[in-house]
Amino acid sequence: KAGVTQTPRYLIKTRGQQVTLSCSPISGHRSVSWYQQTPGQGLQFLFEYFSETQRNKGNFPGRFSGRQFSNSRSEMNVSTLELGDSALYLCASSLDRVFGEQYFGPGTRLTVT
Amino acid sequence: DAKTTQPPSMDCAEGRAANLPCNHSTISGNEYVYWYRQIHSQGPQYIIHGLKNNETNEMASLIITEDRKSSTLILPHATLRDTAVYYCIVRTYDDYKLSFGAGTTVTVRA
Repeated sequence: KAGVTQTPRYLIKTRGQQVTLSCSPISGHRSVSWYQQTPGQGLQFLFEYFSETQRNKGNFPGRFSGRQFSNSRSEMNVSTLELGDSALYLCASSLDRVFGEQYFGPGTRLTVT
Repeated sequence: DAKTTQPPSMDCAEGRAANLPCNHSTISGNEYVYWYRQIHSQGPQYIIHGLKNNETNEMASLIITEDRKSSTLILPHATLRDTAVYYCIVRTYDDYKLSFGAGTTVTVRA
């Protein structure tokens, strides 16, 4: 069974631009979560989607948004990029919201210049 | 906020058991202990979880003290590929957000 895939793996953007990252969960998994990882703040929860609805949201500004499609694939968008948005963005999928284990993808490395 | 305390780093000799401690003195009755690890530049990997009984799977063993205020992850025969940051996380079973702390950087040496 294929794991969680994320595209693109690497991305360089300029301040003020926007970016869209994509995540394809493990087949059959219905819940997708997003995390941001930076050297200073570590791994931080962004949001979670289940059945195309955002169920949980972390403490991030409204510039960070996401959505989930009917096939469970998810995208996250960051608008008006700032230098501090440079990070590894990780997607995790789970069979169900209460199943427990989350499986992470390899991440998208975003660099904002 | 993370509810666990872990040592920042530890070394282990290849082939020996690695014992990773975690303190979670404020754990409540419905909270589980989860362990994940992250190998450099990869996404975190689930290892094991438990409530109050000791647990074992193909990767590791989890020993939870009787008062549940601390636990130990045991990697029985550490290999160089086990070099990673190990995170101990406390959460309820339906709390979907994982709150990662700083973790323990484990270096396995030949």
